[in-house]
Formats: sequence, structure tokens, C-alpha cells
Amino acid sequence: ETGVTQTPRHLVMGMTNKKSLKCEQHLGHNAMYWYKQSAKKPLELMFVYSLEERVENNSVPSRFSPECPNSSHLFLHLHTLQPEDSALYLCASSQELTKNPGPGYTFGSGTRLTVV
Amino acid sequence: DQQVKQNSPSLSVQEGRISILNCDYTNSMFDYFLWYKKYPAEGPTFLISISSIKDKNEDGRFTVFLNKSAKHLSLHIVPSQPGDSAVYFCAASYNYNQGGKLIFGQGTELSVKP
Repeated sequence: ETGVTQTPRHLVMGMTNKKSLKCEQHLGHNAMYWYKQSAKKPLELMFVYSLEERVENNSVPSRFSPECPNSSHLFLHLHTLQPEDSALYLCASSQELTKNPGPGYTFGSGTRLTVV
Repeated sequence: DQQVKQNSPSLSVQEGRISILNCDYTNSMFDYFLWYKKYPAEGPTFLISISSIKDKNEDGRFTVFLNKSAKHLSLHIVPSQPGDSAVYFCAASYNYNQGGKLIFGQGTELSVKP
């Protein structure tokens, strides 16, 4: 399997639930990202991991908790979310940009999250 | 403050005609610009990019134009095809070659009618 794979594709959860989104990349990239896409808003960068170390956290509420156990896997743990957190959550990966100024990221297909 | 703006949420074009998607930015330090295409239920895929040292880059039916003085970027698709119907995002980066992160616009939904 190649590319960036995200599971599940769709998720409906209650506000008291705990769930996790999974992202896996098979490209040998060193950096992985979580983005949020809400309706009619730009893609918002949430977290950046480089070589399994978190390098950026863009003022994301603590109810979102990322985890990067190795360079191929990235998780987003969710707990006590709000209905306004309903969005498409996209994972992306890239080579370290200093080494490979290529076309940018490779995105996964996303997880469509609905909080009820 | 939104640094990258796509002011047209949607655009409808007849098949065979030219599609022009526009993007404005505010940060004059941006040095690399990219366009992504996104189909429903899929992640964005890279389409074409341009460095700030150029004013035009062409790849087949797709051409990106950069007007630095106007801080304006546009994507031309000629001729437009029904399969081009998708949401198009522009993105910009400062210090791209040193790991600068991408900042995305809101997207423009293109509909190409047969």
C-alpha cells in the first residue's frame, strides 16, 4: 500500500466519547501533519511532527491530543469534543522541506467527523 | 488575519472554455505558491506550483501566473474539462526551502458543465 492512509473515513461520536483518528504513511517521509477543514474555511494546520517530535501546536484545544509513535504513524486522540469540532480532519506527510523542496504535502483522504 | 484569500467560493464554466481561479495574499515574504485540487471525500492533491522568482509556470492545460506587485496568483485551465470539477485551493509558504509551512486559502469550487 502506498501514500497516506487515514482511518476511519467517517466517524460519528457523542460529546462524552473518546475516539482516535489514525494516519499511516508509506512514503518514507519525515514530517507529518494534522489539518482541520471546516465548511467554508481555509485548511487549518493543527499539529506538526518532524522525526516523531512535535514541532508545532497551533493553539489547539487540549481535547485534541496528537501522538506520533514512529515516523510512519500519527494519531489524533479525541475526547469531550463539541459539535463545532465537526469537520474533515486531514493528515499529510512530506519530506523535510529543507531536503526536498518538492510539490508540498501528500494528503490522506481525511476523516469526516461529526460530533453529536 | 487571513493571509491567503480566495474570494470566489464557486465558479461555473462551460466545457472547452478557460477557467480562471484567483488567489490574493497579504504577506510579501511568501516565496512559494502551490495549487491543490480536491475531489469530494478525497484529500487534496498537488497540481502545480510557482516560485516567487518566476511569474509564470505551465504544465499541460494548467498555467499559474504570479503578480508579485499585486500580491495576486491565478490558475488558468485551458481547455476546461468536466473532470476538472473540484475544489481548488491555493497555498503559500514563507521560507519554503527551509521548512516554511503552507498557508491555505478557503478554496474555490469549480464546476465545468458539458
